[in-house]
Amino acid sequence: GESVGLHLPTLSVQEGDNSIINCAYSNSASDYFIWYKQESGKGPQFIIDIRSNMDKRQGQRVTVLLNKTVKHLSLQIAATQPGDSAVYFCAEGKGFQKLVFGTGTRLLVSP
Amino acid sequence: DVKVTQSSRYLVKRTGEKVFLECVQDMDHENMFWYRQDPGLGLRLIYFSYDVKMKEKGDIPEGYSVSREKKERFSLILESASTNQTSMYLCASSLKRGAKNIQYFGAGTRLSVL
Repeated sequence: GESVGLHLPTLSVQEGDNSIINCAYSNSASDYFIWYKQESGKGPQFIIDIRSNMDKRQGQRVTVLLNKTVKHLSLQIAATQPGDSAVYFCAEGKGFQKLVFGTGTRLLVSP
Repeated sequence: DVKVTQSSRYLVKRTGEKVFLECVQDMDHENMFWYRQDPGLGLRLIYFSYDVKMKEKGDIPEGYSVSREKKERFSLILESASTNQTSMYLCASSLKRGAKNIQYFGAGTRLSVL
């Protein structure tokens, strides 16, 4: 299920480290996945998406890995910066059916 | 860049008031959505719309209605606000064309019902 705010799993890293945020999805028939970033007091911001026929996709400082065998998705952030501190959550979709949002993870970056 | 604008960042209303939350997007998106976000519950879909004058119930439509008179504008209406509707409300939009429903969100409206 989804959770944002209280009782979120938290990942604490030092500035400059690489961060890996994980997400387990539920529907093996989903054909794309999306990562969102939500800073405190703001709306979710689209980061990157990946289709189910791909294993990996790279963006600017971010990499998405998809493991369909275990229904697992990860977001890797290279050289994490204080501005990366936020809640990150994944979403899965199939065509134009409504998105299913995953459990959020709070990323805390220390200078 | 996609811009989804919600008319108010913060609202304080009284129980029983009729409340209007407005959302406008400037990217000619066909689909628009209203969610509420609560600690521990994440994003829950209230209503969505695939076209002008069309609306579909989401997972928690009770106590809410919507209006889509123009393509760029999607309004959420709380007919008679109650304290359990205190929440963060998020509007989103997406393209109908293409194979993915990538939604772009507004900044949110934090509503307090007293």
